[in-house]
Amino acid sequence: EDKVVQSPLSLVVHEGDTVTLNCSYEVTNFRSLLWYKQEKKAPTFLFMLTSSGIEKKSGRLSSILDKKELSSILNITATQTGDSAIYLCAVNNAGNNRKLIWGLGTSLGVNP
Amino acid sequence: DTGVSQDPRHKITKRGQNVTFRCDPISEHNRLYWYRQTLGQGPEFLTYFQNEAQLEKSRLLSDRFSAERPKGSFSTLEIQRTEQGDSAMYLCASSIAGQETQYFGPGTRLLVL
Repeated sequence: EDKVVQSPLSLVVHEGDTVTLNCSYEVTNFRSLLWYKQEKKAPTFLFMLTSSGIEKKSGRLSSILDKKELSSILNITATQTGDSAIYLCAVNNAGNNRKLIWGLGTSLGVNP
Repeated sequence: DTGVSQDPRHKITKRGQNVTFRCDPISEHNRLYWYRQTLGQGPEFLTYFQNEAQLEKSRLLSDRFSAERPKGSFSTLEIQRTEQGDSAMYLCASSIAGQETQYFGPGTRLLVL
């Protein structure tokens, strides 16, 4: 059965810290991996990764995919309180590209 | 605002009542998805449409749930004879066929008393 596992499930850091969130997957015919940020509302799209080793970057956030290790990391540098959210990872497989397989998310809290 | 919109944003109902939610996708998106999310869980797939055709419905979805997208634009999700276990956030997302990125609406939070 296809599955996506995120770690840690939750963490709390101080403003200014750097955090690394992990996402590992077991899916048949991998197509892409997506990261979303969810605050109190619906998920908002961050990155889509399809190729190993190519970093996607947006401001203080960056992400990279390792197909050999079947995983991805999401880095946030110089964290701010506004980064507090649940970070969701989802994987799309080539044979099932009409829905996403979701992890449970990592709940990040950033304290001032 | 050209994003995905959902209505209502919140709904409180009594057990046994029927409820209907609406989703308006991004205008050029031909795929529309419904998800359900409970606290501490990722979104759970319910169903999806490509244009007006409903192409898949989750096996987890009971017969009390039905969705339509009659003109290939907005969609409705109806829950009949609601149960307390139906309490959740109902999310709608849209995308362009062939592009995996899905864009979510704000969700409808349902509470069944």
